[in-house]
Amino acid sequence: DVKVTQSSRYLVKRTGEKVFLECVQDMDHENMFWYRQDPGLGLRLIYFSYDVKMKEKGDIPEGYSVSREKKERFSLILESASTNQTSMYLCASRKSGGTGNTIYFGEGSWLTVV
Amino acid sequence: DAKTTQPTSMDCAEGRAANLPCNHSTISGNEYVYWYRQIHSQGPQYIIHGLKNNETNEMASLIITEDRKSSTLILPHATLRDTAVYYCIVRVDYGGSQGNLIFGKGTKLSVKP
Repeated sequence: DVKVTQSSRYLVKRTGEKVFLECVQDMDHENMFWYRQDPGLGLRLIYFSYDVKMKEKGDIPEGYSVSREKKERFSLILESASTNQTSMYLCASRKSGGTGNTIYFGEGSWLTVV
Repeated sequence: DAKTTQPTSMDCAEGRAANLPCNHSTISGNEYVYWYRQIHSQGPQYIIHGLKNNETNEMASLIITEDRKSSTLILPHATLRDTAVYYCIVRVDYGGSQGNLIFGKGTKLSVKP
């Protein structure tokens, strides 16, 4: 089974803090993604990475950065957390190449910024 | 990516088959049909996907009509743990770095004892 593991399920941070969300996958997937999910807005793509040290902005990258130093690990960084970044964050991964490759999600990280 | 239409909610008796419909009348020839589900407070869970042929795995069966304008996800023996929101998504899979999934509102399936 594919395993995408997010390090923290629930976090509470203060406004202005730097926040790190970590994600690890164990299937040697090239592609990794960070989404946020908000009621009524569905899933929105923040960043994705197609290989080590490679990244591209998604639909809502403002206020976020990412790091992919190793193939299995993809980190989402909130440089200065704000209350409007309170959300559920989802990491996902997918094998590159071919077609019909499935995207697998982690359990999600609930972040509250106070 | 093509738009999908699903019923807002459905009920199913425990032990019975749950049949979840999805309309995707504007689907194009290279778009796959994916099904995910999301249990409250958890990440989306992949269920099954297909292009043209019907598919079956350990979780479910996917029936795609011959014209590909609609599909049905079948959970053969629903349990209480299958209560979740089920999403039908159609998308082109370029096999490259693109991977954005557009989740609609889905169908809230309630499995009742």
